[in-house]
Amino acid sequence: RKEVEQDPGPFNVPEGATVAFNCTYSNSASQSFFWYRQDCRKEPKLLMSVYSSGNEDGRFTAQLNRASQYISLLIRDSKLSDSATYLCVVNQHSGNTPLVFGKGTRLSVIA
Amino acid sequence: EAGVVQSPRYKIIEKKQPVAFWCNPISGHNTLYWYLQNLGQGPELLIRYENEEAVDDSQLPKDRFSAERLKGVDSTLKIQPAELGDSAVYLCASSLRYPNTGELFFGEGSRLTVL
Repeated sequence: RKEVEQDPGPFNVPEGATVAFNCTYSNSASQSFFWYRQDCRKEPKLLMSVYSSGNEDGRFTAQLNRASQYISLLIRDSKLSDSATYLCVVNQHSGNTPLVFGKGTRLSVIA
Repeated sequence: EAGVVQSPRYKIIEKKQPVAFWCNPISGHNTLYWYLQNLGQGPELLIRYENEEAVDDSQLPKDRFSAERLKGVDSTLKIQPAELGDSAVYLCASSLRYPNTGELFFGEGSRLTVL
């Protein structure tokens, strides 16, 4: 099982739609979690951290389920500008490579 | 404040040739990372520095790849000789310290094409 797995995508959704991405992680000792956004041919940038109680930032909501070892990202009222690849990142806080990136899920929001 | 600066942005070389990438992290960031990103994949760590010390280079193919961060500031990643499979984007990132909050600041990357 890979350390961090994401929905393969691509997700093609119309403007205004709600879309959700899931990410599972294998290391139960992982303690912190993040979503990064990567635009086409650009560098990844931190979108939001994921807190145990769940957190919201405008149209974006991140949730963590430690028991099932997955995190999710919900985007409401999708905009064309949301089109990007969303990378799930897990900080294992141990081992040689504590920060592990998923492969990413590509989102295309269509007019 | 300037972000992470990388050069060159693009490089095309023939196989077996050497290539070097340079990275200048954000001022004051002690931790510097080199990542490899293939098309459709997430970034994969090659090496992580804490100041001038390489503290995690387990994923660096040491037969052909080398890196240095001599004064604990900027860094160079070298490939010699390059192979066709090395074609990818090489991303440099930095953060204030390790362990960190998870926020890495990435440069725009160096896109390598090996012919």
